[in-house]
Amino acid sequence: DADVTQTPRNRITKTGKRIMLECSQTKGHDRMYWYRQDPGLGLRLIYYSFDVKDINKGEISDGYSVSRQAQAKFSLSLESAIPNQTALYFCATSDRHRDNTDTQYFGPGTRLTVL
Amino acid sequence: GDSVTQMEGPVTLSEEAFLTINCTYTATGYPSLFWYVQYPGEGLQLLLKATKADDKGSNKGFEATYRKETTSFHLEKGSVQVSDSAVYFCALSAAGGFKTIFGAGTRLFVKA
Repeated sequence: DADVTQTPRNRITKTGKRIMLECSQTKGHDRMYWYRQDPGLGLRLIYYSFDVKDINKGEISDGYSVSRQAQAKFSLSLESAIPNQTALYFCATSDRHRDNTDTQYFGPGTRLTVL
Repeated sequence: GDSVTQMEGPVTLSEEAFLTINCTYTATGYPSLFWYVQYPGEGLQLLLKATKADDKGSNKGFEATYRKETTSFHLEKGSVQVSDSAVYFCALSAAGGFKTIFGAGTRLFVKA
């Protein structure tokens, strides 16, 4: 079984709809991240969380919100989706306590299309 | 701020050719350096890493050496296979920092 899972894997929605992407992990890691991948732009950080009570904005947080429901769950919401939010979204985890290099472990991604 | 620059792709090679993907970085102090690989339809996974100057990371025939003097971490493989076709990301994690900075990615195509 995968250590980091994301649901849904694919989603097509319309402009103005509210969308939630979910991430769960069984690695026991404290840190969780949401990234967005666009062609030619690499990965850009949307939000990150170091524990349940610590949530921080990344470089492109506008139009997004997150919730850390438990250590193992971190969800990303698009309150009112727009077409330029069409992208591949990745959840990742890391464990700074046991690995001070902060190696990232990624989920399989969610492909979101906003029409 | 910290940044990572890697060579643009796509890179197209024949099977058994030598691979180099260049990566340079800007950071204060001594960051940890990484190469991640993304196979089609999958998330990124760690390929190799190095944590201090002159360290060599290696995995699956790939190697990269942490060069502090040239601020580089070039990825190399002596003989690529079709199964190495993927997107490769160079990344850094600053010492004492709280996030990882990724390069734009380099797509590699290997022809049989």
